[in-house]
Amino acid sequence: DSGVTQTPKHLITATGQRVTLRCSPRSGDLSVYWYQQSLDQGLQFLIQYYNGEERAKGNILERFSAQQFPDLHSELNLSSLELGDSALYFCASGFQGFSSYNEQFFGPGTRLTVL
Amino acid sequence: GIQVEQSPPDLILQEGANSTLRCNFSDSVNNLQWFHQNPWGQLINLFYIPSGTKQNGRLSATTVATERYSLLYISSSQTTDSGVYFCAVEINDMRFGAGTRLTVKP
Repeated sequence: DSGVTQTPKHLITATGQRVTLRCSPRSGDLSVYWYQQSLDQGLQFLIQYYNGEERAKGNILERFSAQQFPDLHSELNLSSLELGDSALYFCASGFQGFSSYNEQFFGPGTRLTVL
Repeated sequence: GIQVEQSPPDLILQEGANSTLRCNFSDSVNNLQWFHQNPWGQLINLFYIPSGTKQNGRLSATTVATERYSLLYISSSQTTDSGVYFCAVEINDMRFGAGTRLTVKP
């Protein structure tokens, strides 16, 4: 158990819908990272928050957004869902941000299926 | 951007065999991690190893940062070692390799 929690574990929804994925980092970690794992694209970094502020952006679509709250939990919002958004979404946490000594620990993931 | 290449893409071993997985990266990196993704999809941290050598039981890893590669050694493999092994490198974000799919047969 990495100490990172994600809910829900599974999510099935329809095209055009909006969903919210939730992540709670390990105790003491200030950074939260979101990743998408799909069969065709592999594991891709989406976005990072550090202590409530956006710090780095990767291959995140405009239909996707995230935020980190004062209690450091984070939510990833996916809207206008398409079939191609079906994937495993991971959250990771770390004490610091990129470019620092910073081991990332991954949550169990949320498997999103868009029908 | 930085390229991360893992080899071999697939590996089938008999239980008890040893193996070496390789990760090459195209630029200097701040950090490097090895992960094991088990058949249930969970990503498990194996090593945080931007440079040097570390050992944890039957697993060990070496990163030669100046030559831009890292190696993961698995000795006396067990069926529970099956899954996909990912190398991930970090500069301004985290980049994953495509993974090595390991199957250990009893």
